[in-house]
Amino acid sequence: KAGVTQTPRYLIKTRGQQVTLSCSPISGHRSVSWYQQTPGQGLQFLFEYFSETQRNKGNFPGRFSGRQFSNSRSEMNVSTLELGDSALYLCASKVMGTGGHYGYTFGSGTRLTVV
Amino acid sequence: AQTVTQSQPEMSVQEAETVTLSCTYDTSESDYYLFWYKQPPSRQMILVIRQEAYKQQNATENRFSVNFQKAAKSFSLKISDSQLGDAAMYFCAYRSDVNRDDKIIFGKGTRLHILP
Repeated sequence: KAGVTQTPRYLIKTRGQQVTLSCSPISGHRSVSWYQQTPGQGLQFLFEYFSETQRNKGNFPGRFSGRQFSNSRSEMNVSTLELGDSALYLCASKVMGTGGHYGYTFGSGTRLTVV
Repeated sequence: AQTVTQSQPEMSVQEAETVTLSCTYDTSESDYYLFWYKQPPSRQMILVIRQEAYKQQNATENRFSVNFQKAAKSFSLKISDSQLGDAAMYFCAYRSDVNRDDKIIFGKGTRLHILP
């Protein structure tokens, strides 16, 4: 099975612009979560989608939004970029394994730099 | 709110030796999962080991094992026979199993150096 694919791997944007990041989960995985990783704050939960519905949202401003398509691919959008949005954005897909135990597989992330 | 604390920002261990990474967490819940993830320079988070809170037996995966102390809310990772490929950031993480949401709470991480 292919892993979780995130595109692009690197992105440089200017303050005030908007950006869209993409995540394709492992085939058959319907849950996709997004995380922001910065040196100062560490890894912070952004939101989670399941079957095209947002099920949970972290403590981020409304400039951060996302969506999920019928094929489970997910996008996250950040509008009016700020310097502090520079981070590694990771997505993870979840699968229910044997015995009802969950597993999470992460992508390699998109490194966003805001200048 | 749940929190995860890793008190060791960096650690070093000689190749082939054993090292233990510490993690404590705070929660009022009784049902949850704990994880150790490894993040090498490739950036991808790789699951090292998982522990279900209802299980008293400590999880093991080859050279990796945990010491899960539920009452003390402690979840340390032991790496035996350390190898150069073990060098990475290690994150301790918590996921509630009460609301079944998929929010994982991560610690700040421990950078592990392997000395040849």
